[in-house]
Amino acid sequence: DGGITQSPKYLFRKEGQNVTLSCEQNLNHDAMYWYRQDPGQGLRLIYYSQIVNDFQKGDIAEGYSVSREKKESFPLTVTSAQKNPTAFYLCATQGGNMNTEAFFGQGTRLTVV
Amino acid sequence: SQKIEQNSEALNIQEGKTATLTCNYTNYSPAYLQWYRQDPGRGPVFLLLIRENEKEKRKERLKVTFDTTLKQSLFHITASQPADSATYLCALDMGDTDKLIFGTGTRLQVFP
Repeated sequence: DGGITQSPKYLFRKEGQNVTLSCEQNLNHDAMYWYRQDPGQGLRLIYYSQIVNDFQKGDIAEGYSVSREKKESFPLTVTSAQKNPTAFYLCATQGGNMNTEAFFGQGTRLTVV
Repeated sequence: SQKIEQNSEALNIQEGKTATLTCNYTNYSPAYLQWYRQDPGRGPVFLLLIRENEKEKRKERLKVTFDTTLKQSLFHITASQPADSATYLCALDMGDTDKLIFGTGTRLQVFP
């Protein structure tokens, strides 16, 4: 099946730990995004990438890091510098012309314990 | 920077009525505007895309309008059904900055 796979679905982190959220796609899309969603809120852009080995900060990049070593993969690391990491994280992809729909994964719910 | 505003309060309507959701933006008009549906605990799903030179776009019971003078898009669901209950998000694709920006979403509740 074509699509976007985020893993894990649920993730628990102790304070002070780094954790990495996985996002894999087989849609052959160039653009990939990471968004954060808090309860009752919209999506806020963390990082995005238009091409392999290149990525840009979004509106709330502090405390997060990404890599884009392969077209299919765009992992997000939530570092200990992120003070309020508990949220729902969504990965998305978009086709080449930027005038097409975005496809989303099912999300990872991260909780700090 | 570009800001997007959607009705933050939930919209409650009776089954069979038309639901109208609003998306307002500041600054310059986007090249494209998109609408998504999100169910609880799930990722958003694409519904419709409208370009800046289009006034209206339809898909089955859905209709989207785009007024660049008012800097506003309206999203209509006609003959609404309880299954339409969800959060609806608008998103701006600026076309040149290469990023998709989302609004806060409006939660729609359709009662039988």
